[in-house]
Amino acid sequence: RKEVEQDPGPFNVPEGATVAFNCTYSNSASQSFFWYRQDCRKEPKLLMSVYSSGNEDGRFTAQLNRASQYISLLIRDSKLSDSATYLCVVNIRGGSYIPTFGRGTSLIVHP
Amino acid sequence: NAGVMQNPRHLVRRRGQEARLRCSPMKGHSHVYWYRQLPEEGLKFMVYLQKENIIDESGMPKERFSAEFPKEGPSILRIQQVVRGDSAAYFCASSPRTGRLSGELFFGEGSRLTVL
Repeated sequence: RKEVEQDPGPFNVPEGATVAFNCTYSNSASQSFFWYRQDCRKEPKLLMSVYSSGNEDGRFTAQLNRASQYISLLIRDSKLSDSATYLCVVNIRGGSYIPTFGRGTSLIVHP
Repeated sequence: NAGVMQNPRHLVRRRGQEARLRCSPMKGHSHVYWYRQLPEEGLKFMVYLQKENIIDESGMPKERFSAEFPKEGPSILRIQQVVRGDSAAYFCASSPRTGRLSGELFFGEGSRLTVL
């Protein structure tokens, strides 16, 4: 089983739609969780951290379910500019804590 | 520019040559991570360094690959005797903190290696 798993998609949605991505992780001892965004052939950029109580930043809402070991990202009122790959990141302890990336979920927002 | 600086942005090498990729972290950041991304794949962890120390190299191939982060100067990822399978984007990221609550990474624009 992979340490961090995501549905690669693509998710193809119209402008204004609400879309949600899930990410599952295998290490129950993981302590911190993040969503990153990566545009085509660009570097990943931090979108938001994921807190145990859930958190919201504008149109974006992130939630953590420790019991089921998954995190989610909800995007409301999708914009064309939201088209990108969304990467789930979990801090996993090996010899040290290493931010470990999922493969990413591709989102395409069309007019 | 206060961001993470990587160079070269693009590097072309023939099989058997050496590739050296450089990364200067953000000012004030002492933790550097290298990741590799193959086409249509996710980012794979390679190595985590602090100044003058390799903290975790569990993701780095045992042969041909090495990394350093000297007291002065940038972190360097070195690939000896490159093969076509080494063609990828190599991303460097820096962080101001480490430990179980780390994960807030600031990435450079990446170095794209093409092996002919």
